[in-house]
Amino acid sequence: QKEVEQNSGPLSVPEGAIASLNCTYSDRGSQSFFWYRQYSGKSPELIMSIYSNGDKEDGRFTAQLNKASQYVSLLIRDSQPSDSATYLCAVRISGGYNKLIFGAGTRLAVHP
Amino acid sequence: DAGVTQSPTHLIKTRGQQVTLRCSPKSGHDTVSWYQQALGQGPQFIFQYYEEEERQRGNFPDRFSGHQFPNYSSELNVNALLLGDSALYLCASSLNPSTNEKLFFGSGTQLSVL
Repeated sequence: QKEVEQNSGPLSVPEGAIASLNCTYSDRGSQSFFWYRQYSGKSPELIMSIYSNGDKEDGRFTAQLNKASQYVSLLIRDSQPSDSATYLCAVRISGGYNKLIFGAGTRLAVHP
Repeated sequence: DAGVTQSPTHLIKTRGQQVTLRCSPKSGHDTVSWYQQALGQGPQFIFQYYEEEERQRGNFPDRFSGHQFPNYSSELNVNALLLGDSALYLCASSLNPSTNEKLFFGSGTQLSVL
């Protein structure tokens, strides 16, 4: 059973639109959630972290967390072609020190 | 401030061979984790080293082993390579495995097994 699930995509949005990426997780004890961006052939780059229910904004990015629903999302406002990448949702499982469980990622394509 | 560095960047091996991958953590970090990322998949946790000991291990066979040195750098060794070991191997560093620290990844080693 997968512990972190994401739609594989591709999610295609026009330039300037809002991209919405979703993730669900199975470990109710998880307390830390992360979004990584990965360009093709490159390593994951941390773009957002969220630990409490609600929204957290950083520039064009907003992470949303709902622990009751075991759901975390990432919104990208004013999407740019340079945002085209795979977005990985990662969850730090309870009792797992700093071990992250990753979803398979959602591929985002922003077209001009 | 140097980030996480990995070597080599690319490696080609044949089945049955052995490989060693190297990682230097970000300055100030003392914990190193290794992940395997197959094509089209998310990274999978292999193991984590802290204070020169393996602290946690994922669902990987004993062919995968590692080491951490006193300067916090780390090696990942894979014996008896299989075609399925072809993947991007990522090293991630953080500060102290028991705290709520973010993981920072190196650029990875792309391993191809022929």
